[in-house]
Amino acid sequence: EPEVTQTPSHQVTQMGQEVILRCVPISNHLYFYWYRQILGQKVEFLVSFYNNEISEKSEIFDDQFSVERPDGSNFTLKIRSTKLEDSAMYFCASSRQANSPLHFGNGTRLTVT
Amino acid sequence: GEDVEQSLFLSVREGDSSVINCTYTDSSSTYLYWYKQEPGAGLQLLTYIFSNMDMKQDQRLTVLLNKKDKHLSLRIADTQTGDSAIYFCAEILPSVYSTLTFGKGTMLLVSP
Repeated sequence: EPEVTQTPSHQVTQMGQEVILRCVPISNHLYFYWYRQILGQKVEFLVSFYNNEISEKSEIFDDQFSVERPDGSNFTLKIRSTKLEDSAMYFCASSRQANSPLHFGNGTRLTVT
Repeated sequence: GEDVEQSLFLSVREGDSSVINCTYTDSSSTYLYWYKQEPGAGLQLLTYIFSNMDMKQDQRLTVLLNKKDKHLSLRIADTQTGDSAIYFCAEILPSVYSTLTFGKGTMLLVSP
């Protein structure tokens, strides 16, 4: 069964550094998402992406965050200058249509020191 | 407003049925989902129900939806130790397409 894949599984970075989290959505899906889960807290929506542009974003997704689909298969989340509070599990997801079920990857655990 | 509430913990014996409950506050939810998260793993879609349905059955899983009370439940029949995981209830609102609002998750522990 097709899967959403994310790399790396764990990323450790120093405060102030830039990180790029990578995702390969399911190939025939058109909608792409990033969610995050701070340890012990709810899974929170960050951003949705369709037709090469952001369609929705939460208040968490500030100017430090950006997303890109650099080619036909990858979908990336960049955090420009990481803060300690960015430490979380970041999940990529994709869906075939706007209201179709979301399929999630296994996540990237980001640790900011 | 939008908020999804779940009990935090459920413990059952292998072979018993498990019922995980969820309440949501926004009656305009279109779809309601159950995701499973095993330790260190991602969010696995288990099942979902459209808001105009009352029940959906999929093998050992039964989802019941009570729209009047805004209550969703997931029943797992013949629970196995491999079912031990965190189960998340999530809703989609019609105003923001495919933006899921998750509950905090229910940790299900199945003992032999």
